[in-house]
Amino acid sequence: DAGVIQSPRHEVTEMGQEVTLRCKPISGHNSLFWYRQTMMRGLELLIYFNNNVPIDDSGMPEDRFSAKMPNASFSTLKIQPSEPRDSAVYFCASTVGGNTEAFFGQGTRLTVV
Amino acid sequence: AQSVTQPDIHITVSEGASLELRCNYSYGATPYLFWYVQSPGQGLQLLLKYFSGDTLVQGIKGFEAEFKRSQSSFNLRKPSVHWSDAAEYFCAVGPGQAGTALIFGKGTTLSVSS
Repeated sequence: DAGVIQSPRHEVTEMGQEVTLRCKPISGHNSLFWYRQTMMRGLELLIYFNNNVPIDDSGMPEDRFSAKMPNASFSTLKIQPSEPRDSAVYFCASTVGGNTEAFFGQGTRLTVV
Repeated sequence: AQSVTQPDIHITVSEGASLELRCNYSYGATPYLFWYVQSPGQGLQLLLKYFSGDTLVQGIKGFEAEFKRSQSSFNLRKPSVHWSDAAEYFCAVGPGQAGTALIFGKGTTLSVSS
């Protein structure tokens, strides 16, 4: 299996622009998580889905952030408009039902200038 | 509140020396516990996990961890550190239910000196 695949690996954008991060979970996994990693706050859970349904989005920092999972093999995290303080590494992870071990993608490093 | 504390932000050990990384958790129910490692520019890789049974669990790369309920701790150990172990280490706790999210500590950065 190729593991959790995230794209792009790096993204540099200007403040105010829309940014879309993408994630393909491991085939057969039915839970998907979006985390944000910064030096100050560590790993923060933004949102997670079970069977494509958002379960908990309390970690989404603002309305500028939105996430979708239109099918079992794809999810997006969108920031619109982006701000410099959104600069971070965004990780996607997936798990299979009954096993809470999370498998992580390699992350997307977002820089907003 | 559910939380994970890793008291040491940065640790430096000599190559060949033993290592212990501390992790304390606050959790209302019986926790499922994990240690992950992150190399620079990479995602998180699972080192080991504790669900139940023997409180001393073995993981990959020669790591082990011991669950101590009385101390709410799950410390990671390795008897002899290699230079390639330099990385960031994260402790995490979860409720053990399918489709629930893990809570992570802020991580400990390990440097290995020669």
